[in-house]
Amino acid sequence: TQLLEQSPQFLSIQEGENLTVYCNSSSVFSSLQWYRQEPGEGPVLLVTVVTGGEVKKLKRLTFQFGDARKDSSLHITAAQPGDTGLYLCAGARGTNAGKSTFGDGTTLTVKP
Amino acid sequence: EAGVAQSPRYKIIEKRQSVAFWCNPISGHATLYWYQQILGQGPKLLIQFQNNGVVDDSQLPKDRFSAERLKGVDSTLKIQPAKLEDSAVYLCASSYTLNTEAFFGQGTRLTVV
Repeated sequence: TQLLEQSPQFLSIQEGENLTVYCNSSSVFSSLQWYRQEPGEGPVLLVTVVTGGEVKKLKRLTFQFGDARKDSSLHITAAQPGDTGLYLCAGARGTNAGKSTFGDGTTLTVKP
Repeated sequence: EAGVAQSPRYKIIEKRQSVAFWCNPISGHATLYWYQQILGQGPKLLIQFQNNGVVDDSQLPKDRFSAERLKGVDSTLKIQPAKLEDSAVYLCASSYTLNTEAFFGQGTRLTVV
């Protein structure tokens, strides 16, 4: 059973466009992480959100945790080719923050 | 600060052979994880260690997979015998404690032919 659904699965856009990707679940998580993974590399942590309704910004990336802590979104403003990669969300329950359930990711391609 | 180190980076073996992967976590990190990432999917947790003890191995196929962390630092993951469906990237991650975020190594890409 896939507990975290990510959408869209693939996204291809032009440089300068804005985009939003989603991470949805029917389960409540105590924290949710977003990672970016490039080909041949391990996932790199971008952000952790822990409070319902929380919004965090990382340069052109805005992360939001849903009020009920079941879903999250990642918005990228003015995408650049360097943003290309696989974006993974991962949810943790309880105090075991490192033991996360991952979604299958959104593959983003930003064309120059 | 050095990251999580894994070796080898790539491995090709025939089915029914055995293989072992090695991981050296970030210095001082007590918690270590092994994940399996099949192409097109997100990572799936295989086993979690806290120091040299197993916290969770519920997703580890114990008939063919084994892992150890004898001195609470380095860890090895072994598959014996390998099956075609074991082809995947095996990721090691570590965290300072159980309730802090995990940092991943580059992974070992295993191809079983």
